[in-house]
Amino acid sequence: DTAVSQTPKYLVTQMGNDKSIKCEQNLGHDTMYWYKQDSKKFLKIMFSYNNKELIINETVPNRFSPKSPDKAHLNLHINSLELGDSAVYFCASSHLNGYTFGSGTRLTVV
Amino acid sequence: GQQVMQIPQYQHVQEGEDFTTYCNSSTTLSNIQWYKQRPGGHPVFLIQLVKSGEVKKQKRLTFQFGEAKKNSSLHITATQTTDVGTYFCAGMRDDKIIFGKGTRLHILP
Repeated sequence: DTAVSQTPKYLVTQMGNDKSIKCEQNLGHDTMYWYKQDSKKFLKIMFSYNNKELIINETVPNRFSPKSPDKAHLNLHINSLELGDSAVYFCASSHLNGYTFGSGTRLTVV
Repeated sequence: GQQVMQIPQYQHVQEGEDFTTYCNSSTTLSNIQWYKQRPGGHPVFLIQLVKSGEVKKQKRLTFQFGEAKKNSSLHITATQTTDVGTYFCAGMRDDKIIFGKGTRLHILP
């Protein structure tokens, strides 16, 4: 009964590969997000979707493409992975009070 | 653009000492939220403050929202080893939320 679940938890891959991270929330929230957290722990918003529609798209390389098949899911596809993409990626959802974060996906590009 | 500055970036305290982290926004906020992230974990929502001058307490944690709704603080009394982690403030304005860069708290035994 995890509220926001994302998979995989760990992802190690070579430069140039394409990978996807999946996120699902069972809270009934309308808005979902992807955040990137670097080694200094800074949380940077990447994308925000409200009821399947993109509402925030921060300055993110177009190698990153979010997809929201329905309001409970927000997946992140990354093409041509680069070393600098190594980070922890958090999915989150929100309603009126506060964000609920997933447990994170630690992506390591080698 | 809207910014949320959080200080200090790091804090080491002896167990039992108090700890405070501060958050300042360049613009008036509609609300401010606080999160805690344990090492290796994910951010967990602690509280939301909405009203000017609001003060809320959760056991040893005291949260304040400034009168101008531009600044906030989190104060922990008599820190314990379980308080270790990174504390983030997040300011909301025009339905957009901006996270501070966090304060990483280390507890010395």
